[in-house]
Amino acid sequence: DQQVKQNSPSLSVQEGRISILNCDYTNSMFDYFLWYKKYPAEGPTFLISISSIKDKNEDGRFTVFLNKSAKHLSLHIVPSQPGDSAVYFCAASAENTGFQKLVFGTGTRLLVSP
Amino acid sequence: EPEVTQTPSHQVTQMGQEVILRCVPISNHLYFYWYRQILGQKVEFLVSFYNNEISEKSEIFDDQFSVERPDGSNFTLKIRSTKLEDSAMYFCASSEGWQGINEQFFGPGTRLTVL
Repeated sequence: DQQVKQNSPSLSVQEGRISILNCDYTNSMFDYFLWYKKYPAEGPTFLISISSIKDKNEDGRFTVFLNKSAKHLSLHIVPSQPGDSAVYFCAASAENTGFQKLVFGTGTRLLVSP
Repeated sequence: EPEVTQTPSHQVTQMGQEVILRCVPISNHLYFYWYRQILGQKVEFLVSFYNNEISEKSEIFDDQFSVERPDGSNFTLKIRSTKLEDSAMYFCASSEGWQGINEQFFGPGTRLTVL
């Protein structure tokens, strides 16, 4: 089941620079997307979300972009900080499941070095 | 800040035994969920629960699994007869309500080890 894919298992960025994490999906029924951050031995922490009626949503240092025609979304973190080092998961849901079932990608491990 | 809590943090059991994983969702949330993550794999949806009944479940959630909200605060996942392949991190989550989009907030997880 590869409905949500994060093709980069890891990303290294220097502090202060931009981190761009990418996510692709195949199911055209998905219309709500979320990004979660996960530290070891903790549960996923919600970061930011976007509905399919938008192409951009911003919250502080985090911006999510959605390209519906390409079935692609990305998370931009500017500026990146060492505390951002974690595994980032994108997740998608569909109205036909009441947005209840989140389908997760495999995650991208972000390392921000000082 | 309100958070989802889970107990125990780690559960070790013998194959064939029953386990109950416990969760306390955020107090004003109406939807409750269980997910699992087998080591090295994706986080997978198991079940959602609303108004004291299952509203969605995945193909993983077979007859060995059950969920219950025994009182006003706890939400439990029972695995009736554990198998080796049930070893995973189990995450509970909750969300506010039905009106379209609502974010799911996750607990810290219970690591289940089946020997």
